[in-house]
Amino acid sequence: LAKTTQPISMDSYEGQEVNITCSHNNIATNDYITWYQQFPSQGPRFIIQGYKTKVTNEVASLFIPADRKSSTLSLPRVSLSDTAVYYCLVLSPWGPGAGSYQLTFGKGTKLSVIP
Amino acid sequence: DAGVTQSPTHLIKTRGQQVTLRCSPKSGHDTVSWYQQALGQGPQFIFQYYEEEERQRGNFPDRFSGHQFPNYSSELNVNALLLGDSALYLCASSLSGRFYEQYFGPGTRLTVT
Repeated sequence: LAKTTQPISMDSYEGQEVNITCSHNNIATNDYITWYQQFPSQGPRFIIQGYKTKVTNEVASLFIPADRKSSTLSLPRVSLSDTAVYYCLVLSPWGPGAGSYQLTFGKGTKLSVIP
Repeated sequence: DAGVTQSPTHLIKTRGQQVTLRCSPKSGHDTVSWYQQALGQGPQFIFQYYEEEERQRGNFPDRFSGHQFPNYSSELNVNALLLGDSALYLCASSLSGRFYEQYFGPGTRLTVT
């Protein structure tokens, strides 16, 4: 499994765009990149996943450069309710147990949105 | 559409006891995974069930066991509880094939004294 590295914490003011970068230098060819969000005392929530280039949904955008050794989660115009821990995960779809993918969480990035 | 539900919400047990936690997956989901989350840490994978069989297991001792029923609901059993088992236990359901998108329940907070 590819190891991920992301900042421990970030602060942002309301209304700003927030970019959280995750490095995954040893990502394999078939690996996918996924981001989850977790509020205190709740289970994590899937935000977005991608393989390469850019993916956008109603919540966030995910930018993945050509070498795929890093990825950036972009949250447009954050509000106080976006204060949470954000986890970057790399998923390997092939190999033993293909199709039964465990999620390997690190410590994540604690985002604090300031009024 | 009900999401993932877990019971109980909180539980206090004594060292050496046994505990059973329950999970009902999101409607239509056939795969259930269990995670343990210690305070300040990310969730750690315990095991995953599909078609009533344990399909994948993380680095947890045999004291942790589980079961999946024909209706896809699941139980997590922990025997001989240790103080270090105190944590938030999360259940996640998914559709086999959509490996990256797991829906988590609110968790069961287990305290071992």
